[in-house]
Amino acid sequence: GENVEQHPSTLSVQEGDSAVIKCTYSDSASNYFPWYKQELGKRPQLIIDIRSNVGEKKDQRIAVTLNKTAKHFSLHITETQPEDSAVYFCAASKGAGTASKLTFGTGTRLQVTL
Amino acid sequence: GAVVSQHPSWVICKSGTSVKIECRSLDFQATTMFWYRQFPKQSLMLMATSNEGSKATYEQGVEKDKFLINHASLTLSTLTVTSAHPEDSSFYICSLDLNTEAFFGQGTRLTVV
Repeated sequence: GENVEQHPSTLSVQEGDSAVIKCTYSDSASNYFPWYKQELGKRPQLIIDIRSNVGEKKDQRIAVTLNKTAKHFSLHITETQPEDSAVYFCAASKGAGTASKLTFGTGTRLQVTL
Repeated sequence: GAVVSQHPSWVICKSGTSVKIECRSLDFQATTMFWYRQFPKQSLMLMATSNEGSKATYEQGVEKDKFLINHASLTLSTLTVTSAHPEDSSFYICSLDLNTEAFFGQGTRLTVV
């Protein structure tokens, strides 16, 4: 089955700096790669996703890159703000009809300090 | 996006009792729903795939007789934790697909004492 590894497990950055979280996956059939932000006791919140036919996607301060050959994808957050502090999870699935059948990474606790 | 309603949001039960968690799709019919479990400070792990009108598919290591899943209608899937024990204390969350995106319920915090 799919295995998703995520690094780092914790990340502390100063407000205004950039944060990068990296994930690797094992199953070449995976084609949908979402990123979630989760606050304590809450449901995961989709912040950005990318599909395997695209190499990069950007939404304001958030961007995701995908390297299919190397089987890795990364989340980039620029101009970080204190409200970005949360746990972030990457995930992978085989897409249509199974987008919810996700294999999650182990999570990254991001702390944005003033 | 889809609206997924999960109840209860939290429950405390005694060891040995059973607890039922409901996951409802409020605005469209879902033939498939997914159930995840998340232990404190850990990731979400898929437990099972709930299929309307047929048996659920369980992930390796998940006891099907302990975690009973019923998907009797296109808008409701239930997860029953039978003979709950303290080690079953966790955050349980359901999800479904719409337009190749996953939508999650609010989650249920189960504490077994």
